Amino acid sequence: QVQLQESGPGLVKPSQTLSLTCSVSGGSISSGSYYWSWIRQPAGKGLEWIGRIYTSGSTNYNPSLKSRVTISEDTSKNQFSLKLSSVSAADTAMYYCATTPEWGLGLVDYWGQGTLVTVSS
Amino acid sequence: QSVLTQPPSVSAAPGQKVTISCSGSRSNIGSNSVSWYQQLPGTAPKLLMYETNQRPSGIPDRFSGSKSATSATLGITGLQTGDEADYYCGAWDTSLSAVVFGGGTKLTVL
Repeated sequence: QVQLQESGPGLVKPSQTLSLTCSVSGGSISSGSYYWSWIRQPAGKGLEWIGRIYTSGSTNYNPSLKSRVTISEDTSKNQFSLKLSSVSAADTAMYYCATTPEWGLGLVDYWGQGTLVTVSS
Repeated sequence: QSVLTQPPSVSAAPGQKVTISCSGSRSNIGSNSVSWYQQLPGTAPKLLMYETNQRPSGIPDRFSGSKSATSATLGITGLQTGDEADYYCGAWDTSLSAVVFGGGTKLTVL
């Protein structure tokens, strides 16, 4: 069973770049079995899919965030990462890394516990 | 504004049945499978249903899923207080090339 753990700064200043890493255990990000995704949830609000990366390095991003998002992978560390540029208070949220099986298209099966990121000066 | 539309809240008594609707369009529910997620207070979402009506291992058969055209429904029978949670529907949107979610439905077991 895949296990996911997010890590990164809990506080980011406005206009700066938010950077998070997801460490994967119980599976290899280069296996081709999964898409590796990021999803966020502002406090008291719903889920927002940010984007995902596949083992080939191909990515899909939420059109509303696409201009600011980069998702990358580090196969040597079995990790994948999120970078969100030019952040504002609206980007304050719980950020989850998650997986989608390669056959599952819109399905999200495994979730990390989440990491809270606050954007504030 | 979520791409998929859910009622903000539903409620029912213990032991009763409740349904949660999820409305979309041809580019998401109309052409792709629907998933449902349960989010207990203070925890990460958990997969509850996939491929519209398939339950992951460990999910009781009190939970069921269905789909018709551009809408999907999650059903929960024999309600328990432990079912109190937020429920989200999700699907792939072919036009957006993105996963889309509903705004979530808060279930209260009275």
